[in-house]
Amino acid sequence: GDSVTQMEGPVTLSEEAFLTINCTYTATGYPSLFWYVQYPGEGLQLLLKATKADDKGSNKGFEATYRKETTSFHLEKGSVQVSDSAVYFCALMRQDSSYKLIFGSGTRLLVRP
Amino acid sequence: EAGVAQSPRYKIIEKRQSVAFWCNPISGHATLYWYQQILGQGPKLLIQFQNNGVVDDSQLPKDRFSAERLKGVDSTLKIQPAKLEDSAVYLCASSLASGSGPQHFGDGTRLSIL
Repeated sequence: GDSVTQMEGPVTLSEEAFLTINCTYTATGYPSLFWYVQYPGEGLQLLLKATKADDKGSNKGFEATYRKETTSFHLEKGSVQVSDSAVYFCALMRQDSSYKLIFGSGTRLLVRP
Repeated sequence: EAGVAQSPRYKIIEKRQSVAFWCNPISGHATLYWYQQILGQGPKLLIQFQNNGVVDDSQLPKDRFSAERLKGVDSTLKIQPAKLEDSAVYLCASSLASGSGPQHFGDGTRLSIL
């Protein structure tokens, strides 16, 4: 079945460091891909998305490119801030009648001052 | 716009007791989702409604979980009887329609089973 695999955390970085969180997927057809962020005690917020191959989603300095050939959607940011500390979830949306979201297990990011 | 509202925020019960969660989606959103998020895992869809009809409940443990959205607006999720493995955060989300626009999530209800 469809699935999403993320790198295990926690990822610990110093402020202004470069961030990469790896995400790969397995799916039939052509899913849409998403990154969600979850701050402590809160629900998930959509960070960015891409709906077709080679699309680049971007928001708040974060970027991810839909790579069909490697079935990947890695999240990157050039310079992280303490306020970026959160759990990041990669997800795919099946393009069938249910439009079901399937999430990875999440990667915790901790940014130190 | 007001976000997805959920209550209660926290609930502690003993195993074999029953519990109910409430969700009010964003106004005008036809699709409503209930997810279960076990500690250290990503959310897993339990049930999806389109208006007051069920679209997908394939991962809902129907022997103990039930959900309804009678008037196509707010929704309740019930567990009866609860088991230890039901300890999780229960997230509600809504979207304009299935596959249309992003899913907006509430802050969730954290359930602890003793």
